[in-house]
Amino acid sequence: KAGVTQTPRYLIKTRGQQVTLSCSPISGHRSVSWYQQTPGQGLQFLFEYFSETQRNKGNFPGRFSGRQFSNSRSEMNVSTLELGDSALYLCASSLDGTGLRFRNQPQHFGDGTRLSIL
Amino acid sequence: SQQGEEDPQALSIQEGENATMNCSYKTSINNLQWYRQNSGRGLVHLILIRSNEREKHSGRLRVTLDTSKKSSSLLITASRAADTASYFCAPDFRGGSEKLVFGKGTKLTVNP
Repeated sequence: KAGVTQTPRYLIKTRGQQVTLSCSPISGHRSVSWYQQTPGQGLQFLFEYFSETQRNKGNFPGRFSGRQFSNSRSEMNVSTLELGDSALYLCASSLDGTGLRFRNQPQHFGDGTRLSIL
Repeated sequence: SQQGEEDPQALSIQEGENATMNCSYKTSINNLQWYRQNSGRGLVHLILIRSNEREKHSGRLRVTLDTSKKSSSLLITASRAADTASYFCAPDFRGGSEKLVFGKGTKLTVNP
């Protein structure tokens, strides 16, 4: 099985621009989560999507948004970029149906998109 | 917010030595997972230990869980340079949301 694929791997933007990052989960996985990783704040949860619906959300401003398509692929968008948005953005997928049987199945991570804001 | 806290923040050892890192948490859990992250890469799942388990092994990895002390430890035996990475724990808290929350991790350096 192919792993989680994130595109692009590297991205350079300037302040005020917007960016869209893409994540293709492992085939059959319906849950996709997004994380922001910075040296100062560590790994911070952004949001999770399951069956095209946002199921959980972290403490990020509304400039950060996401969506999931019917094939479970997901995108996240950051508008009005700020210098502090420079980070490694990681996507993770898991089987995650409903109920305890699937609760916290191991998450499978992509290698991330390194976003640099100039 | 609920999350595990890894200790120590950094650990440097020689190849062949054992490495032990710890995770503490504050409220009851369903299970706890450990992940590894090599520099610039995504996280890789290592082990999931359930609250009714005390110890679990996977190759050179040994994870223990003490729910009375609300702590877990990850032991890597006979370390190799390739084990150099950051290690994170992610407890699944009872009554918590289904998302995983990671601490800041332990940065392990194995010197050849």
